[in-house]
Amino acid sequence: KQEVTQIPAALSVPEGENLVLNCSFTDSAIYNLQWFRQDPGKGLTSLLLIQSSQREQTSGRLNASLDKSSGRSTLYIAASQPGDSATYLCAVKGTGFQKLVFGTGTRLLVSP
Amino acid sequence: ETGVTQTPRHLVMGMTNKKSLKCEQHLGHNAMYWYKQSAKKPLELMFVYNFKEQTENNSVPSRFSPECPNSSHLFLHLHTLQPEDSALYLCASSQLASGGTGAGELFFGEGSRLTVL
Repeated sequence: KQEVTQIPAALSVPEGENLVLNCSFTDSAIYNLQWFRQDPGKGLTSLLLIQSSQREQTSGRLNASLDKSSGRSTLYIAASQPGDSATYLCAVKGTGFQKLVFGTGTRLLVSP
Repeated sequence: ETGVTQTPRHLVMGMTNKKSLKCEQHLGHNAMYWYKQSAKKPLELMFVYNFKEQTENNSVPSRFSPECPNSSHLFLHLHTLQPEDSALYLCASSQLASGGTGAGELFFGEGSRLTVL
């Protein structure tokens, strides 16, 4: 059974810092991994999708990496801004079926 | 309208009420999902519909009844719920490869915040 863990559960940084969020999963036989952002009381916004054959994806100040063999993904946020404050979730899809397994998220606070 | 739209955004109901949540996707996707998000717990998949056919019922109690009349609309009918069913209910859609395998990027609606009194 796939299990997804995100550490730390919460992170507070000053504006301008570069930061890394971590996601680990127990079963390396994955189809893809997706990073989401969730603002309080809102739905999830897709940030980046990495296919199992890829090592990383970039979108603006965001860079997500994937190391299947070690069961890890990282989300790198460059030059953080207060508007980046949100909960960041990673989700892993296994092979063969479309069920995603979500982590519990990392709550990020970027202070001005 | 674009993306995935959910209504209502907030719903308060008594345990004996019958209500429905509605989801509509404007992305041309062929799969739709209901997720439940409770405080301090990972998102829980409830139901999956591929091409209007239900392919997953993740041991959800029968007081939750999904309906998918076409590939753009998804409902969650609620009946005799319990206070512990209070949560954020999220609808999502994606485009699956032919044969229902694989999973493209998942797009979520804003959610329906349900409170059961």
